[in-house]
Amino acid sequence: AAGVIQSPRHLIKEKRETATLKCYPIPRHDTVYWYQQGPGQDPQFLISFYEKMQSDKGSIPDRFSAQQFSDYHSELNMSSLELGDSALYFCASSSLGGRGNEQFFGPGTRLTVL
Amino acid sequence: GQQLNQSPQSMFIQEGEDVSMNCTSSSIFNTWLWYKQEPGEGPVLLIALYKAGELTSNGRLTAQFGITRKDSFLNISASIPSDVGIYFCAGQLINDYKLSFGAGTTVTVRA
Repeated sequence: AAGVIQSPRHLIKEKRETATLKCYPIPRHDTVYWYQQGPGQDPQFLISFYEKMQSDKGSIPDRFSAQQFSDYHSELNMSSLELGDSALYFCASSSLGGRGNEQFFGPGTRLTVL
Repeated sequence: GQQLNQSPQSMFIQEGEDVSMNCTSSSIFNTWLWYKQEPGEGPVLLIALYKAGELTSNGRLTAQFGITRKDSFLNISASIPSDVGIYFCAGQLINDYKLSFGAGTTVTVRA
């Protein structure tokens, strides 16, 4: 079965640079969630989109923005990167029309800020 | 996010033993989910629970949604080496789809 696709899998950036992470949800899933996981920590919710509209917002820095496009893929844009932004970034998708509570995670993007 | 207390933090077990872990919260949850994560990979959904008291199995895994709606447990029976990983509980509040995670239980299986 098709899973959530994230790209790139690894990204290395310098401080103050920008980064764009992409997420392609499972086909027919209408909701995308972004989570950040620091080393040895549990995933923390950043932001979510349902039917291309922002549906919820968590502890996402103002330097970050995200959107969901007409084909349901989503992009997380990160600017003025800081060392503390180094983490695994996961995208998850669900279908609110179905078992909407079940979120399926992608393999993640490992961001390293030098 | 909501505070979920997951225990134990880590477990070292012999192959063939049963494993039990649990999560508690001061908040009432609408849904409990259990995930397994391996190094450098995304969490994989193991079991989803929707009703208080619900007991659900997935192979050697069994999970229950506590009747107070504030806790859940996961059991793994007859552990095998491929059970190693970090197991996370996650909960969703009523009318809220974002996940709040526990701190995880690291399981190490000795052959």
